[in-house]
Amino acid sequence: ETGVTQSPTHLIKTRGQQVTLRCSSQSGHNTVSWYQQALGQGPQFIFQYYREEENGRGNFPPRFSGLQFPNYSSELNVNALELDDSALYLCASSLRSGARTGELFFGEGSRLTVL
Amino acid sequence: AQSVTQLDSQVPVFEEAPVELRCNYSSSVSVYLFWYVQYPNQGLQLLLKYLSGSTLVKGINGFEAEFNKSQTSFHLRKPSVHISDTAEYFCAVSPSTYIQGAQKLVFGQGTRLTINP
Repeated sequence: ETGVTQSPTHLIKTRGQQVTLRCSSQSGHNTVSWYQQALGQGPQFIFQYYREEENGRGNFPPRFSGLQFPNYSSELNVNALELDDSALYLCASSLRSGARTGELFFGEGSRLTVL
Repeated sequence: AQSVTQLDSQVPVFEEAPVELRCNYSSSVSVYLFWYVQYPNQGLQLLLKYLSGSTLVKGINGFEAEFNKSQTSFHLRKPSVHISDTAEYFCAVSPSTYIQGAQKLVFGQGTRLTINP
């Protein structure tokens, strides 16, 4: 039990739709990182938020966007869904330095299927 | 930039046998190294990490790993596995110094460890 909760756990969308995934971070953590894990692959870094500001972004198009709220919870939004967006989306909370020193606490993920 | 290669996508072993999961990395800067485990339908859990100091690091559940800088490797070992070790294992790296916008982990593709009775 990491104290990081993600919702929804599973969802199905059709191509072209939009989706919002939510993450509540562990108490005391001010940084949230989002990762995409395609089937049979390792997680890939999407972006990170620190104190409500984007603090780094991976190689994902602008239709992937995010927010962090004053309570440090976070949202990941994906517009114009494509079939290749089907994946497990993982949220990880940490202190700022923890994102680099491995002190990341992962949620169980939101599994998105795009038809 | 960093990259991680896990040399085996699947490793089947018998219960109580030893196991080694291999990981090699590439980086233009010094790195921290990690192994994470993912049990079915769960998120990732940190097994162990190398930040500095002794190159042999011990983690949870009896796992250990050795950092070899000359071979850019960080192989994971356990002397005797149990059925409960069945999971996906991921090797990851991050830069050891602060780089703006790069506070992230770069993961390998994973090794599925299957323990047979």
